[in-house]
Amino acid sequence: AQKVTQAQTEISVVEKEDVTLDCVYETRDTTYYLFWYKQPPSGELVFLIRRNSFDEQNEISGRYSWNFQKSTSSFNFTITASQVVDSAVYFCALKGDYGGSQGNLIFGKGTKLSVKP
Amino acid sequence: DVKVTQSSRYLVKRTGEKVFLECVQDMDHENMFWYRQDPGLGLRLIYFSYDVKMKEKGDIPEGYSVSREKKERFSLILESASTNQTSMYLCASSLLIPGPYSNQPQHFGDGTRLSIL
Repeated sequence: AQKVTQAQTEISVVEKEDVTLDCVYETRDTTYYLFWYKQPPSGELVFLIRRNSFDEQNEISGRYSWNFQKSTSSFNFTITASQVVDSAVYFCALKGDYGGSQGNLIFGKGTKLSVKP
Repeated sequence: DVKVTQSSRYLVKRTGEKVFLECVQDMDHENMFWYRQDPGLGLRLIYFSYDVKMKEKGDIPEGYSVSREKKERFSLILESASTNQTSMYLCASSLLIPGPYSNQPQHFGDGTRLSIL
């Protein structure tokens, strides 16, 4: 079975603090894909990043960085120098490469991040 | 940019009514999905479709049906609405690329907040 766990339900930080959102996944697939989405108060889920299981390089995009560790089945997301506009619910998601179900994403329950000025 | 459009942002219906939620995407994506999002439960897949007239059940299909008559349009139908179907409904689409490169992200609409009275 596949599963994504985001243990942090809510996090509150003050602007300019760094914050890390945790994501732990379970899968039996040897090839799989991990995603992070952001859902601002307006409601639309915005795609942030994808990572293939065979590519363990970490990635940085501006103030965002992602740490993929296969050994611990984790795909954590760090926001550096957080801003009020980062306030949103963040979802981690997993997709296996098993035949048939081409696009199914398994979502974690999300972490609500509040950044206070 | 991919555009996924859901016909209504807010909808109020009565118990027992037949309810149609419409979703249109403009990027010629093969895959389309319907999720519902509830507090504490995250996103749960209701149905998805990987081709015209094709559909597959997701995790919670009971009480719902879908229709995909054209590639760009995927409709979710509540046959006889009940109060426990009050929720946020999210439509998504993605490219279908088989094999080890099937890491295409899903692109989401703004969501429809449905209330069943």
